[in-house]
Amino acid sequence: SAVISQKPSRDICQRGTSLTIQCQVDSQVTMMFWYRQQPGQSLTLIATANQGSEATYESGFVIDKFPISRPNLTFSTLTVSNMSPEDSSIYLCSVDQIDRGFSETQYFGPGTRLLVL
Amino acid sequence: GQNIDQPTEMTATEGAIVQINCTYQTSGFNGLFWYQQHAGEAPTFLSYNVLDGLEEKGRFSSFLSRSKGYSYLLLKELQMKDSASYLCAVTRGSTLGRLYFGRGTQLTVWP
Repeated sequence: SAVISQKPSRDICQRGTSLTIQCQVDSQVTMMFWYRQQPGQSLTLIATANQGSEATYESGFVIDKFPISRPNLTFSTLTVSNMSPEDSSIYLCSVDQIDRGFSETQYFGPGTRLLVL
Repeated sequence: GQNIDQPTEMTATEGAIVQINCTYQTSGFNGLFWYQQHAGEAPTFLSYNVLDGLEEKGRFSSFLSRSKGYSYLLLKELQMKDSASYLCAVTRGSTLGRLYFGRGTQLTVWP
C-alpha cells in the first residue's frame, strides 16, 4: 500500500497569509488529489494534480486561491493563499493505486490541520 | 452533480450487527468506496464496489446495487473500536481518484 506523508502536520496562521502544504508518496503515481475537510464535515475534493500539466479544479475552487504544483511523480504541494478563518480545515492529499489483485484502492495522507486566526 | 445520502448517526451494542446505508444519484457513476475515519485521523479504506453484489472482508461487508443507486456497509460482531465515522464516496467517469463523499455516518458502539 502507498505510504503518504504530509508537512506540516498542523499550523496556526494569521489571516491574509499563505501556507504551502507538501505531500510525499513512497511510490510513483500518475495523479494526486487534494481534499479539504472542514470542521464536522465530510471530505470535499479540491483538485486533481497531474505531473507535467496544470491541476484540474472542482467547482468552487480556483487556482488563484489554491495553487498546486506537481514537479514529479512522488510529490505535490497545495498552497492556501490569502487565508481567512473560513479556510480553517484539514487538508488531505490522496493517491489511487491498483494492487496486485487489480483492485482499486484510494489512500489518504495523515492530513494537515490548519487554523486561521 | 452528485447527491449522496447516508444517515448522520447510528448506535449499536458490542457484538451486534449494524448496516449503514448510502444512496446516490450521480451522473457517470463508476464505483463506490467506504471509508472509516476515527476522530482526528485520516480516512482508512474499507471497500470499493464496482459490480453489483456483496463483497465480504472479515467482519465488514459492502453491497452495491447500481440500478437502485444504493449501497450498504455491514459490520458484524461490533467492537468498541468500531466507533467511528463511516464515509460513503462515489467515483465518476474515467478519473478513478476523484471521490465525492457523503456527509458520513457517526457510529457509536456501546458496551
